[in-house]
Amino acid sequence: TQLLEQSPQFLSIQEGENLTVYCNSSSVFSSLQWYRQEPGEGPVLLVTVVTGGEVKKLKRLTFQFGDARKDSSLHITAAQPGDTGLYLCAGARGGATNKLIFGTGTLLAVQP
Amino acid sequence: NAGVTQTPKFRVLKTGQSMTLLCAQDMNHEYMYWYRQDPGMGLRLIHYSVGEGTTAKGEVPDGYNVSRLKKQNFLLGLESAAPSQTSVYFCASRTTGGIYNEQFFGPGTRLTVL
Repeated sequence: TQLLEQSPQFLSIQEGENLTVYCNSSSVFSSLQWYRQEPGEGPVLLVTVVTGGEVKKLKRLTFQFGDARKDSSLHITAAQPGDTGLYLCAGARGGATNKLIFGTGTLLAVQP
Repeated sequence: NAGVTQTPKFRVLKTGQSMTLLCAQDMNHEYMYWYRQDPGMGLRLIHYSVGEGTTAKGEVPDGYNVSRLKKQNFLLGLESAAPSQTSVYFCASRTTGGIYNEQFFGPGTRLTVL
């Protein structure tokens, strides 16, 4: 059962454009992470958000955790070709093992 | 530090063959995970381990077995490979404690079962 749905599934934009990726669930998470994965490599953590309503910025990337801790968004300003990759959100349920539930993924292609 | 390494990087099997994927980490992490990645489905947890000598089932454990005899190694076995197990397999590890639960991933193993 896929608990985290991401949209859009695929996005192709021109360099300099802005974009938003959404990560939605009906379940509450103790924290939510965003990873980026480049071809032939494993995912790499970008950010962790833990508080409802929290906003974190990482250069041109802005991450927001929903007030109810069920959803999140990633906004990229002035996208660059180096932003190209697969973006994955992952929710943690907490507890001793704190396993992650990964989203379906958003494949971003930024054309120069 | 090499981080998380996986061997092999690529493998082609015939239906019914067996194989073992090896994951090694040099960060002294307690927790280790095996995921499979399929198009449009993100990463799904197969098995995980919370310490040496322990293993537990994840979301999609059927057809796979694991062992964690040494803290730094986590092995994933396929006893009788099936075409449905064609996928990219990722190993990950993390330290214990804390809510900033970063998992460190290996580069993946691309497995094709014919």
